[in-house]
Amino acid sequence: DAKTTQPTSMDCAEGRAANLPCNHSTISGNEYVYWYRQIHSQGPQYIIHGLKNNETNEMASLIITEDRKSSTLILPHATLRDTAVYYCIVSPDSSYKLIFGSGTRLLVRP
Amino acid sequence: NAGVMQNPRHLVRRRGQEARLRCSPMKGHSHVYWYRQLPEEGLKFMVYLQKENIIDESGMPKERFSAEFPKEGPSILRIQQVVRGDSAAYFCASSGQTGIGTDTQYFGPGTRLTVL
Repeated sequence: DAKTTQPTSMDCAEGRAANLPCNHSTISGNEYVYWYRQIHSQGPQYIIHGLKNNETNEMASLIITEDRKSSTLILPHATLRDTAVYYCIVSPDSSYKLIFGSGTRLLVRP
Repeated sequence: NAGVMQNPRHLVRRRGQEARLRCSPMKGHSHVYWYRQLPEEGLKFMVYLQKENIIDESGMPKERFSAEFPKEGPSILRIQQVVRGDSAAYFCASSGQTGIGTDTQYFGPGTRLTVL
């Protein structure tokens, strides 16, 4: 079973920031938080991951609370192409099997 | 810098036939993972392989399914005597060094298997 809980669906307006929350209250000290997304029926696309500190890359920012029990993925300027299912996953490292939950279905509105 | 490649992208088989799905990992990656996504469901882990070794096959069905990652060539997921319930999208992912938190799994485009 997935160790994370996410809202089933969200929407935001094009050009605005999309903030996707994730709860992982049972996360272990050695587990990272990974975010992937799946656009329509394509292969999952890696977005970002982090351990304790906030992380930022060209796609998104990841904000992890100090107690590490929750995190937020931020897409700063959402576009229509960001419409996808977003998965938050906790995992010890890249060599461990990824356990996908139901994810959040994000709809970006024109 | 080619990503993970999978072929074929679409595969149609009749019940009872064999399906062979191929996965070439990203350059420099020696770890391969297979996942299955049934229609309208999430991805489920099947198997994790390194070159010539199966590391974790806890998600593989006990019968008809097998996987290999030979020293040379792509990883192969083989399904014998396919049934309609095998119809799904099969995704392969690859990663580099293990135990390194800076690494991650990268996915291929998938193979969509349809069993008639």
